[in-house]
Amino acid sequence: DGGITQSPKYLFRKEGQNVTLSCEQNLNHDAMYWYRQDPGQGLRLIYYSQIVNDFQKGDIAEGYSVSREKKESFPLTVTSAQKNPTAFYLCASSMWLSGTGELFFGEGSRLTVL
Amino acid sequence: ELKVEQNPLFLSMQEGKNYTIYCNYSTTSDRLYWYRQDPGKSLESLFVLLSNGAVKQEGRLMASLDTKARLSTLHITAAVHDLSATYFCAVDSWGSQGNLIFGKGTKLSVKP
Repeated sequence: DGGITQSPKYLFRKEGQNVTLSCEQNLNHDAMYWYRQDPGQGLRLIYYSQIVNDFQKGDIAEGYSVSREKKESFPLTVTSAQKNPTAFYLCASSMWLSGTGELFFGEGSRLTVL
Repeated sequence: ELKVEQNPLFLSMQEGKNYTIYCNYSTTSDRLYWYRQDPGKSLESLFVLLSNGAVKQEGRLMASLDTKARLSTLHITAAVHDLSATYFCAVDSWGSQGNLIFGKGTKLSVKP
């Protein structure tokens, strides 16, 4: 089945630790995105990548880093520099150039800082 | 800067009633998307509207797009409890390189 797989689903982190969230897609999509969602809020864009080995900052990139070494994979690292990392993180992908631009989402990763 | 505003943000309905959720956006766009989110879950795509006047229907939900008014509506007909969820609209503005800007969401609660 084609789709987007995020792991882990739940993650607890102590203050000062870096954590990496995994996102893998087998939809052959060009573009991949990371969004953050806080309780009762909409989605805010952290980083996005339209091609391998290239990525751009979104609206709230401070304290986060990404890589795009393979088309299928777009991991997100939440660094200790992120002041308030507790949130629900959503990875998405799309065929933004040749498709409708519709985003397909993974199941999300819920990060809690203790 | 593209802004997307939904209203209402909270909606409590009785089963069997009709209602409309509005999504206004601030800059030119001809691509608009509606998503559904259940509590604690991810987002599920409902509708993709790609041109002025586009109308799509699925079950009790119907979405439309008026690009001249910069307005999309999500109409709910004869609501049932299973429609309780948060509904987001998202807009793909020109030059955005595929990044969608999301509204804050409308939390819908359908009561018997």
